Amino acid sequence: GIQVEQSPPDLILQEGANSTLRCNFSDSVNNLQWFHQNPWGQLINLFYIPSGTKQNGRLSATTVATERYSLLYISSSQTTDSGVYFCAVGSYTGGFKTIFGAGTRLFVKA
Amino acid sequence: EPEVTQTPSHQVTQMGQEVILRCVPISNHLYFYWYRQILGQKVEFLVSFYNNEISEKSEIFDDQFSVERPDGSNFTLKIRSTKLEDSAMYFCASRPEANTGELFFGEGSRLTVL
Repeated sequence: GIQVEQSPPDLILQEGANSTLRCNFSDSVNNLQWFHQNPWGQLINLFYIPSGTKQNGRLSATTVATERYSLLYISSSQTTDSGVYFCAVGSYTGGFKTIFGAGTRLFVKA
Repeated sequence: EPEVTQTPSHQVTQMGQEVILRCVPISNHLYFYWYRQILGQKVEFLVSFYNNEISEKSEIFDDQFSVERPDGSNFTLKIRSTKLEDSAMYFCASRPEANTGELFFGEGSRLTVL
């Protein structure tokens, strides 16, 4: 099945700093989402982005499907951005399931 | 805004007991999913469900697990005889189409097996 790798696994930032999170996948995808898991365990949908670029406030994401990667940009980070960021993908050959990467654990210091 | 709702939010049970986790997917969605997340680990696919039958299941989804859509709104996950290692957060999700389009998640049901 499709493999999803996220990097870095852990990231510590000072408040106000910018960061880039990466998601690599091993097969062509027909869906890709970025989620933020907050300290209460909820999965917050950030972007549905199987291709192209989207922006929402301080967050933006780019997926280059032909090169099998996606990037999540966080600008001017805030302490409330802390948590785990997951990339989740589904492939044309992967059946009905969406597979999650292992996540990037972000801690933003005040 | 439509949302996926799950109950209970937290359940504590004794090992060997049966547990049923309930989900109400978004009303016009056709594809339903259960995922599991053991504390501190990744979110793992369990099962997908469409047209009143299982579409796909993972190796985790063994004979102890079953899913059902007992009426037009609920989607349930049953664990027949819980084990300690079943302690996890269980997420229900739904989407309008098979393998494209946004996947919407509920807030999760935390299961603790003692």
